[in-house]
Amino acid sequence: GENVEQHPSTLSVQEGDSAVIKCTYSDSASNYFPWYKQELGKRPQLIIDIRSNVGEKKDQRIAVTLNKTAKHFSLHITETQPEDSAVYFCAASATMFSGGYNKLIFGAGTRLAVHP
Amino acid sequence: NAGVTQTPKFQVLKTGQSMTLQCAQDMNHEYMSWYRQDPGMGLRLIHYSVGAGITDQGEVPNGYNVSRSTTEDFPLRLLSAAPSQTSVYFCASSKGTVYNEQFFGPGTRLTVL
Repeated sequence: GENVEQHPSTLSVQEGDSAVIKCTYSDSASNYFPWYKQELGKRPQLIIDIRSNVGEKKDQRIAVTLNKTAKHFSLHITETQPEDSAVYFCAASATMFSGGYNKLIFGAGTRLAVHP
Repeated sequence: NAGVTQTPKFQVLKTGQSMTLQCAQDMNHEYMSWYRQDPGMGLRLIHYSVGAGITDQGEVPNGYNVSRSTTEDFPLRLLSAAPSQTSVYFCASSKGTVYNEQFFGPGTRLTVL
């Protein structure tokens, strides 16, 4: 079935450094790739997303790149700050063979720690 | 707007008991879904719905039932609770389809003894 792999599972950086999280997906029909941030004890929240007709998207200190040929996409955070510390989830859209409805498959998450 | 609400926040069950986790949204969203979150395993899709009267299975549907009789509500039923169903459950909704922002509820922490 559809699968999304996410690496690394944990990432520790110094404040001001960059952080990169990578995901690969298996469904060649996937065309929507959001990233969610979950702070400790909170609910996941969307931080950025990209669609398959775009190779890169930026929003201030965060950016996402997509390589459809290789079926992988990445989240880049520059000038990291302590408040960036959280669990980050990637996701990819996938279709169901049975009903044809689209759904989201999430990666296992990356715990990012930014040290002052 | 209250957004997406879930009840209860915490629940402890004994093996074999049944219960319903409630989820409601007041944003008139068509798409709703249930995820479970386990350490190291991310968010796994249990069931989802693309509109009232239409539901489908996700990645881990066994042991769970859903129905969608109204746009607002999407309850998740545990038929006979097992310790393997100990988890944090999140409900989410989005306007239209999965191609829009998923708004998550606050979660329900379930423990099955």
